[in-house]
Amino acid sequence: EIVLTQSPGTLSLSPGERATLSCRASQFVSHNYLAWYQQKPGQAPRLLFFGASTRTPGLPDRFTGSGSGTDFTLTISSLEPEDFAVYYCQQYATSPTFGQGTNLETK
Amino acid sequence: QLQLEESGPGLVKPSETLSLTCIVSGVSVSGSGAYYNWIRQPPGKGLEWVATVYSSGTAYHNPSLNSRVTISVDTSKNHFSLRLSSVTAADTAVYYCARGGGIAVSDSWGQGTLVIVSS
Repeated sequence: EIVLTQSPGTLSLSPGERATLSCRASQFVSHNYLAWYQQKPGQAPRLLFFGASTRTPGLPDRFTGSGSGTDFTLTISSLEPEDFAVYYCQQYATSPTFGQGTNLETK
Repeated sequence: QLQLEESGPGLVKPSETLSLTCIVSGVSVSGSGAYYNWIRQPPGKGLEWVATVYSSGTAYHNPSLNSRVTISVDTSKNHFSLRLSSVTAADTAVYYCARGGGIAVSDSWGQGTLVIVSS
């Protein structure tokens, strides 16, 4: 099983700041089969990226997915109020697993 | 417009079988190239992939759930279903049905249904 470790667990930032979220895999993630989701309280997750860096339709370009192998990053260049949420990475190269999440909260 | 909606009992007794159905509207489940997923989230915790069925009927499940999981698709009713046997309190979670282009990769989700395992 590929274990995904997200860091930090909680990230406290202000609107307008840059957010960098990390997802590290315990094994090589082949084909960069890594997805990112955003989840707000009481809502289902929303897919942001698949294939590590392919954005989903309608996703603002302040969001960037990057990385390969075992190290992946989600970057939000300038935080908007609606970006504060929990973010999960997921690998689907093998039996799918999720990271434990990063809670992006308002400072 | 694609919509998914979970249905099933909100309370299941320990050792019994949890059964959920996801009603799909706006697209045919028999259409090629789509994966239909069940993903769960215990209260206050993270996400866990449960099982996936491809539009052809090929099924995949989380090995940590061993042989307790059955997932199937019913093209005549345009829905897919999950059965999880021998449930315990650890199976208490919000269960989401979802659809996407890969195993567990989901770009369309239901609103989720809370299933509590308790006597």
